[in-house]
Amino acid sequence: KAGVTQTPRYLIKTRGQQVTLSCSPISGHRSVSWYQQTPGQGLQFLFEYFSETQRNKGNFPGRFSGRQFSNSRSEMNVSTLELGDSALYLCASSPEGRGGLDTQYFGPGTRLTVL
Amino acid sequence: AQKITQTQPGMFVQEKEAVTLDCTYDTSDQSYGLFWYKQPSSGEMIFLIYQGSYDEQNATEGRYSLNFQKARKSANLVISASQLGDSAMYFCAMRGTSGSARQLTFGSGTQLTVLP
Repeated sequence: KAGVTQTPRYLIKTRGQQVTLSCSPISGHRSVSWYQQTPGQGLQFLFEYFSETQRNKGNFPGRFSGRQFSNSRSEMNVSTLELGDSALYLCASSPEGRGGLDTQYFGPGTRLTVL
Repeated sequence: AQKITQTQPGMFVQEKEAVTLDCTYDTSDQSYGLFWYKQPSSGEMIFLIYQGSYDEQNATEGRYSLNFQKARKSANLVISASQLGDSAMYFCAMRGTSGSARQLTFGSGTQLTVLP
């Protein structure tokens, strides 16, 4: 099976712009989660989508949003970018057949730089 | 709330030797999963090994084993016969089964360097 794919791999934006990141999960996986990784804050959970519904949300401002499509692909959007949004954004998928304890498999990440 | 603590920011090990990376956790859930991931400098998070809270046997996956001590709330990763390619950041993480506990909670990581 193909792994989790994320596009684009690298992005450079300026403050105030918006950005959309895409994630395609492993075939058959219904849950997609997003994480932000920065040197200062480490790995932080953004949100989880399951069957096109947001099931869980981390402590991020409303500028961060996401959605999931019927084929389980997911996008996340960040509006009005700030310098502090520079980070590695990781997407993970899981089958969700083990009552929430399934392994999450990660994509290669999108490295976002905000200038 | 769940919490993962990794107290070793950096570790060095000689090639072909074994190394133990420490992880302690805190949760009020009875059912949870513990995970170890490896993150090379490329950034991708690679799943290594899983241990369920009700699993009686310690998990093993090739050269990786998880030393699970439930009463002490520890889940240490043991890498046997270290290789140069094992040099990376290692994260311990956990998930619960309900609500906000379903998200992966990560520790701060341990940077492992394997010396030739």
